[in-house]
Amino acid sequence: DIQMTQSPSSLSASVGDRVTITCRASHPIFSYLNWYQQKPGEAPKLLIYASSRLQSGAPSRFSGRGSGTEFTLTISSLQPDDVATYFCQQSYNTPHTFGQGTKLEIK
Amino acid sequence: QVQLVQSGAEVKKPGASVKVSCKASGHSFTTYYIHWVRQAPGQELEWMGIINASGGSTSYAQQFQGRLTMTRDTSTSTVYMELSGLRSEDAALYYCAREFVVGAHSAFDIWGQGTTVTVS
Repeated sequence: DIQMTQSPSSLSASVGDRVTITCRASHPIFSYLNWYQQKPGEAPKLLIYASSRLQSGAPSRFSGRGSGTEFTLTISSLQPDDVATYFCQQSYNTPHTFGQGTKLEIK
Repeated sequence: QVQLVQSGAEVKKPGASVKVSCKASGHSFTTYYIHWVRQAPGQELEWMGIINASGGSTSYAQQFQGRLTMTRDTSTSTVYMELSGLRSEDAALYYCAREFVVGAHSAFDIWGQGTTVTVS
């Protein structure tokens, strides 16, 4: 199975900050990488698919990049509504493994 | 409105089986694949398996082989996930999710609200 490792596991930043979360795959996955946002008590919501493509309805302050084994999710200007846990997921093969999550809080 | 609506919370004894339903509406049911993902309290998301809503073919994660069965009923646009031989570590929030495909890429664009399974 492909292992997905996110860093950091938690992050505290101020409103307006630029925030970056990293996800590393144990084997190359080309650009088969998705990002989800999960707010407390809610199901995950797709933000980014295919490494860099913004899902319809997701705010444009979210962006993704990367290929192979290293990927990033960036929030260009952190908003209070962005408080959530963020997960990466590889869709290169099954099982479609997820990272352990990055919990984002506002300072 | 495209949505997946799951059945309600379940409480089961160790060794029992649980069957969770996921009813689709607002889209062509047989066009999609449906995945099941679970999340134990405070833990990461764990992919369990996939079912083709059209033909019914399935693929399960290795750790669930022999215990997991996914089925579908096209007449009611419903997918089912049955997990047998429940143990305490199966206590989790279970989600169904629709696979969204663009070219060679896929992701989960619509999720059910989740079903809590308690094993006690």
